[in-house]
Amino acid sequence: AQSVTQPDIHITVSEGASLELRCNYSYGATPYLFWYVQSPGQGLQLLLKYFSGDTLVQGIKGFEAEFKRSQSSFNLRKPSVHWSDAAEYFCAASDTGRRALTFGSGTRLQVQP
Amino acid sequence: DTAVSQTPKYLVTQMGNDKSIKCEQNLGHDTMYWYKQDSKKFLKIMFSYNNKELIINETVPNRFSPKSPDKAHLNLHINSLELGDSAVYFCASSQGGRTGELFFGEGSRLTVL
Repeated sequence: AQSVTQPDIHITVSEGASLELRCNYSYGATPYLFWYVQSPGQGLQLLLKYFSGDTLVQGIKGFEAEFKRSQSSFNLRKPSVHWSDAAEYFCAASDTGRRALTFGSGTRLQVQP
Repeated sequence: DTAVSQTPKYLVTQMGNDKSIKCEQNLGHDTMYWYKQDSKKFLKIMFSYNNKELIINETVPNRFSPKSPDKAHLNLHINSLELGDSAVYFCASSQGGRTGELFFGEGSRLTVL
């Protein structure tokens, strides 16, 4: 079955530190891959997406993600975290024929001063 | 201008009641979705409509009935509400549907007492 796994439920980093959020997928073929962010009480906002081509993709708010086919991973990174980055982060994948996203369980990011 | 708007934002009701949540998008997208987010933040697709036609109907009790009067609106009606229906319901839209690039509303928090 198709699935998206985020192994870390909760991560705490200090402001200014680097960040990496993990995401693994299990699909028959390489799916489209996405990272979304959900601030408290808000809907989800797309950070970045990967369809094909360059395996390092840049997104909004200074985030980037790297697709690694050999590891079935699509990890999200940021070199220097800001307090406003505290939120829930969701990795998602889409089978090209399905028209709907499968989401991971989310990683809650807490930022310490 | 809100791109995807849902009403109401909060809904508290008794078991057995019937309630509706409305969704409208002004992005000109042709595909709309309902997602359910449970208390553990897990997001699961419920329905998807493309140009008013139902294209995804996940394993959802038939107490849930989506209605799409036009491609800018997708409403969700729930009959005979149960405690387990308590969740945040998100409406989303996309153009084309295959890219997984969704625009989400802010969510409607349903509490069933």
